[in-house]
Amino acid sequence: DAGITQSPRHKVTETGTPVTLRCHQTENHRYMYWYRQDPGHGLRLIHYSYGVKDTDKGEVSDGYSVSRSKTEDFLLTLESATSSQTSVYFCATTLRTGLTGELFFGEGSRLTVL
Amino acid sequence: SQQGEEDPQALSIQEGENATMNCSYKTSINNLQWYRQNSGRGLVHLILIRSNEREKHSGRLRVTLDTSKKSSSLLITASRAADTASYFCATDPEGGNMLTFGGGTRLMVKP
Repeated sequence: DAGITQSPRHKVTETGTPVTLRCHQTENHRYMYWYRQDPGHGLRLIHYSYGVKDTDKGEVSDGYSVSRSKTEDFLLTLESATSSQTSVYFCATTLRTGLTGELFFGEGSRLTVL
Repeated sequence: SQQGEEDPQALSIQEGENATMNCSYKTSINNLQWYRQNSGRGLVHLILIRSNEREKHSGRLRVTLDTSKKSSSLLITASRAADTASYFCATDPEGGNMLTFGGGTRLMVKP
């Protein structure tokens, strides 16, 4: 199994507070992704990174920011959490050589915004 | 919007039966992948089929790809209760940097 660790695994917070989710990998994978999973929507991409300090927006990036200062860490920040950001957040990584693209997922971080 | 759409959304079968799930997508792809998710866990990669391949096997899994119809199917043969999970297709679009997932099929295999 790929070494992908998400923290925290569970968090309850109040509307308007900042929240940071961390993804840590030990695989030296170049690409890292943050997805959110909601009933009826499957997984939707929030942001991704293709290298240190190189990030780009995904499908549902509003209200989220990311940072990647080291290969192994990818942080997702909600500057001011809203109830619509209650979700399960998954980090994923891939080496992405050639035409491959298999993703390795973390176990998820369940966020509840009251 | 989702690139891949799975059908059916939910499927309930008896142990030993075969399970077939379908995925349709919209744009040209490099490859299509299937993932499995057990309840409360992260997704796990099952199989990848490239755009120039038509069929691929892995154990009890058989995946087909029809690029002319922009569709794929996942067949699980001789299903087991342990196969109970959600299954997602994901497309790797040409010129893209990210996989796009469908909404998933929830499979329940009854003992």
